[in-house]
Amino acid sequence: GENVEQHPSTLSVQEGDSAVIKCTYSDSASNYFPWYKQELGKGPQLIIDIRSNVGEKKDQRIAVTLNKTAKHFSLHITETQPEDSAVYFCAGRSGGTSYGKLTFGQGTILTVHP
Amino acid sequence: EADIYQTPRYLVIGTGKKITLECSQTMGHDKMYWYQQDPGMELHLIHYSYGVNSTEKGDLSSESTVSRIRTEHFPLTLESARPSHTSQYLCASSETGVSDQPQHFGDGTRLSIL
Repeated sequence: GENVEQHPSTLSVQEGDSAVIKCTYSDSASNYFPWYKQELGKGPQLIIDIRSNVGEKKDQRIAVTLNKTAKHFSLHITETQPEDSAVYFCAGRSGGTSYGKLTFGQGTILTVHP
Repeated sequence: EADIYQTPRYLVIGTGKKITLECSQTMGHDKMYWYQQDPGMELHLIHYSYGVNSTEKGDLSSESTVSRIRTEHFPLTLESARPSHTSQYLCASSETGVSDQPQHFGDGTRLSIL
């Protein structure tokens, strides 16, 4: 099955700096990669996703890049703000019999200092 | 904004009790999922369903059981709770479609077994 590794486990930045979180996956058949943000006491919320036929996707201050050859994808947050502080999860979805199931990374605790 | 609800939000209960965690969604999604989130943050899939009368075991073995009698409802039951069941339980749903559909999460039930 799919295995997703996420780094770093914690990330601390100053307000206004950029933050980058990286994930690698094992199943070359994986074709869908969402990113979730989880705030304290809440469930994970989808912030951006990318499909395997696309190399990059942007949504305001958030961008995701995908390198299918190297089997890794990254989340980039520019001009960070204190409200970006949360736990971020990457995930990958395999094709085939595991249709619809996601495998999550271990999570990254992002802290943005004012 | 996804409409998926979990009750109760918090539950503290003694060993040996039977527990049912409720999950309901109002979006008509066919697919529903239960995840267990440990203190180290990682999400583990314990059950999923492709639709009414469909239930499957997830990647992490769990002593809990699920049922899917109605599209909108996916309850999780522990017949006899133990301290090892203490965790956060997250429910999610997603739409069936030609392309990948994101999973939408509830805010979770934090379960503590004394």
